[in-house]
Amino acid sequence: EAQVTQNPRYLITVTGKKLTVTCSQNMNHEYMSWYRQDPGLGLRQIYYSMNVEVTDKGDVPEGYKVSRKEKRNFPLILESPSPNQTSLYFCASRKEGMNEQYFGPGTRLTVT
Amino acid sequence: RKEVEQDPGPFNVPEGATVAFNCTYSNSASQSFFWYRQDCRKEPKLLMSVYSSGNEDGRFTAQLNRASQYISLLIRDSKLSDSATYLCVVNIRGGGNKLTFGTGTQLKVEL
Repeated sequence: EAQVTQNPRYLITVTGKKLTVTCSQNMNHEYMSWYRQDPGLGLRQIYYSMNVEVTDKGDVPEGYKVSRKEKRNFPLILESPSPNQTSLYFCASRKEGMNEQYFGPGTRLTVT
Repeated sequence: RKEVEQDPGPFNVPEGATVAFNCTYSNSASQSFFWYRQDCRKEPKLLMSVYSSGNEDGRFTAQLNRASQYISLLIRDSKLSDSATYLCVVNIRGGGNKLTFGTGTQLKVEL
């Protein structure tokens, strides 16, 4: 089944404790992105990647890192999480030249 | 001003009603336009792309007015299962993989 998977789905952590949210897609898509969704603000792009080893900042990159060592994986790293990073996070992928973006099921992160 | 603006709703309509959502975008370089559907606490899924000539998919009709920078979605004969949040999305030419999302319009279809 073609899909985007994210892990963990739910995470409660404390300020300053490094964490990684994994994202993997099995559709051989070139483009991958991370978004956060907050009430009243909608989905905002954090980082995106156009292919292996090619990443760039989105609208709200501060406090996040990403890497794209393999085409299928695009992990999101929070080196020192803070409470303002409490949010719902979505990973997404898209085939180059195609319009449809496929989203993962989301990761609900709470930083206390 | 937000890049993509939508009325947040909620729109509460009876089953069978016709409902229309509007969306405006501020960047005239916007190139591609979409409507996504998002069920509560789930991931967004593409509902339909929006083409300059307007397009229809079953009960759903999308229209684009580039001069007014305005996109619309019309749902005819609404069903209970249409209850969701509808996100207006634009892609700017040369913006790489960047999609800009509206905050969404919530639709509740009631018996």
